[in-house]
Amino acid sequence: DTGVSQDPRHKITKRGQNVTFRCDPISEHNRLYWYRQTLGQGPEFLTYFQNEAQLEKSRLLSDRFSAERPKGSFSTLEIQRTEQGDSAMYLCASAPGWGGWEQYFGPGTRLTVT
Amino acid sequence: AQSVTQLDSHVSVSEGTPVLLRCNYSSSYSPSLFWYVQHPNKGLQLLLKYTSAATLVKGINGFEAEFKKSETSFHLTKPSAHMSDAAEYFCVAPARNQFYFGTGTSLTVIP
Repeated sequence: DTGVSQDPRHKITKRGQNVTFRCDPISEHNRLYWYRQTLGQGPEFLTYFQNEAQLEKSRLLSDRFSAERPKGSFSTLEIQRTEQGDSAMYLCASAPGWGGWEQYFGPGTRLTVT
Repeated sequence: AQSVTQLDSHVSVSEGTPVLLRCNYSSSYSPSLFWYVQHPNKGLQLLLKYTSAATLVKGINGFEAEFKKSETSFHLTKPSAHMSDAAEYFCVAPARNQFYFGTGTSLTVIP
C-alpha cells in the first residue's frame, strides 16, 4: 500500500536561502493539501489543490511561499528567502474526489532555518 | 466556520487504566468530527470519524468516541491504555477544502 510520501524528510537551511519540498499523493487522489505544524500546535492549513488547480490559500501563505501541482499528481512547496519563523513541520495530505472528507497524511518535512 | 477545542494539552495515565481525551466543538450545524493520532516521526493517522450516523463511534486500536450534541462534545476514550498509545491526539473538524485542527493532546502512558 503506497501512502503519501514527502521528500526530503528533514531540511536544514540558512536564513535567506530558498527551499523546495515535494509531496507525492496516493495515486488517483485528486485533492491535495499542505499544512504547517509548529511545536506544540495542531497543523494549520496552507493551501489546497483539486487536480492541478489551486483552489484555496491561507493568509499564512505569504508571498514568499508558492505551491504548484503542475500535472495534478505530485506537488511542490517552495519557500523563498527563508526566515527562522519558517522552521516547522510541513505536512502534505491527499484525498480522493469521492466519498467522505478523510485525508491521508504523509510523514512530513521538518524544516530548520538557522 | 467550525472550530474544535481540546481541553487538555497533556494527559498522563497508567498502563491498563482508562483514557479520556476531551474535545468540544463549535458549529451552528451538526458537524462531522474526526480524531487523528500522530506518533513521533510518523504521519497523522485517522482513529475514527463521526459523520451524523451513530453517535457512538468505534475506531482502531480500541478507541471510541461519543458525539453529544447537548454538550457539544466529542470525547475520545479507551478502556485500558497500552504503552503504544503514547502519542499526540488531534480532534479535527473536517471540511472539503481543509481540516480545522485542535491544538492537540499529548498522551503519556506510565508503565
